[in-house]
Amino acid sequence: NAGVTQTPKFQVLKTGQSMTLQCAQDMNHNSMYWYRQDPGMGLRLIYYSASEGTTDKGEVPNGYNVSRLNKREFSLRLESAAPSQTSVYFCASSELRGSLDEQFFGPGTRLTVL
Amino acid sequence: GNSVTQMEGPVTLSEEAFLTINCTYTATGYPSLFWYVQYPGEGLQLLLKATKADDKGSNKGFEATYRKETTSFHLEKGSVQVSDSAVYFCALSGTGGFKTIFGAGTRLFVKA
Repeated sequence: NAGVTQTPKFQVLKTGQSMTLQCAQDMNHNSMYWYRQDPGMGLRLIYYSASEGTTDKGEVPNGYNVSRLNKREFSLRLESAAPSQTSVYFCASSELRGSLDEQFFGPGTRLTVL
Repeated sequence: GNSVTQMEGPVTLSEEAFLTINCTYTATGYPSLFWYVQYPGEGLQLLLKATKADDKGSNKGFEATYRKETTSFHLEKGSVQVSDSAVYFCALSGTGGFKTIFGAGTRLFVKA
């Protein structure tokens, strides 16, 4: 039982390059989330998907797009990377619709934009 | 708006010392409160939670009580171990949609 998996673990991009962060969960959860973690700022929600087929903006969506490919997979795309997007990105999932439920986190992707 | 404030770290303790990490919140309605822990190189994992006032969440020797009158959810452990070294996040959810709000995190170092 892998839980929440993320690829890649590390990535270095140049300004203006694009990339997609992949996330998959095998717990049959309805809701999935993308966060970024920056020093001293905790976790900030980028986008979430309450259920398959729906996505909504979180606190810091600018510069990102998401796709809920199916119930298992939720990807995050950076179309034109900027140094301000240097961060650690976490994908999470929860069983119930909404955030009242415990969230399960992946191991994170450490992204550096030069 | 809704927010979570945690004590700043790092907190450095000797093994077997008593731990308190303060957390206060601002929220409308009746949020659920959580403590998550992040070990080095890993994602966050739920440590404990409380869903209503006066509830006490507990796990692995850690405890926190939901105090609505002081809007607090302080994390405590009677005797810390080196293996407790991690970053601890206080969080709230359930107020106004699908958003969980995390505090900035408190890093704990425990020395042998």
